[in-house]
Amino acid sequence: QKEVEQDPGPLSVPEGAIVSLNCTYSNSAFQYFMWYRQYSRKGPELLMYTYSSGNKEDGRFTAQVDKSSKYISLFIRDSQPSDSATYLCAMSANDMRFGAGTRLTVKP
Amino acid sequence: DGGITQSPKYLFRKEGQNVTLSCEQNLNHDAMYWYRQDPGQGLRLIYYSQIVNDFQKGDIAEGYSVSREKKESFPLTVTSAQKNPTAFYLCASSTGTGRLDEQYFGPGTRLTVT
Repeated sequence: QKEVEQDPGPLSVPEGAIVSLNCTYSNSAFQYFMWYRQYSRKGPELLMYTYSSGNKEDGRFTAQVDKSSKYISLFIRDSQPSDSATYLCAMSANDMRFGAGTRLTVKP
Repeated sequence: DGGITQSPKYLFRKEGQNVTLSCEQNLNHDAMYWYRQDPGQGLRLIYYSQIVNDFQKGDIAEGYSVSREKKESFPLTVTSAQKNPTAFYLCASSTGTGRLDEQYFGPGTRLTVT
């Protein structure tokens, strides 16, 4: 079993939809949780960084961490075609671990 | 502009040849990392360095080598011993020396070995 599981998609939604991206993990020692956005043939860019359980909001993006369920989510409100990318979750305890990424397409 | 640069963007090599991928950062970050990205898999850590003249193996170091002679530079050599070298290689850096810090990535180098 992988330490971090992420549904690879692909996920296709219409413009304006609310998008929910998720990761589950098995290592209860993870304390720092991140979401990266990666456009095709580019390096990942950090979107959200959270510590421990709870919610964090930044514009149209909300990151949610539920440590009791070992589950993290990224919500995108009012999705735009420019949000089309692969979204990677990452988490760390002693080491950083990445999910495989979910490919999202937002159609105009 | 501050950032991480990787060159070249695309690299083609024949099997059996060593190849070196460049990574430079002007963010004054202490720590630097090399990852490999394959379709359907998360980023896998090859090597990391927390200070100059010191580096540690990651999860998949076999067939790779690195050096850290300058704070700004962390080149990766893919040797002929790497069984499946074709992949997208990403360099990253972070502010602190702890591996918990958020990492910033370069644009990547796509290596194809035939």
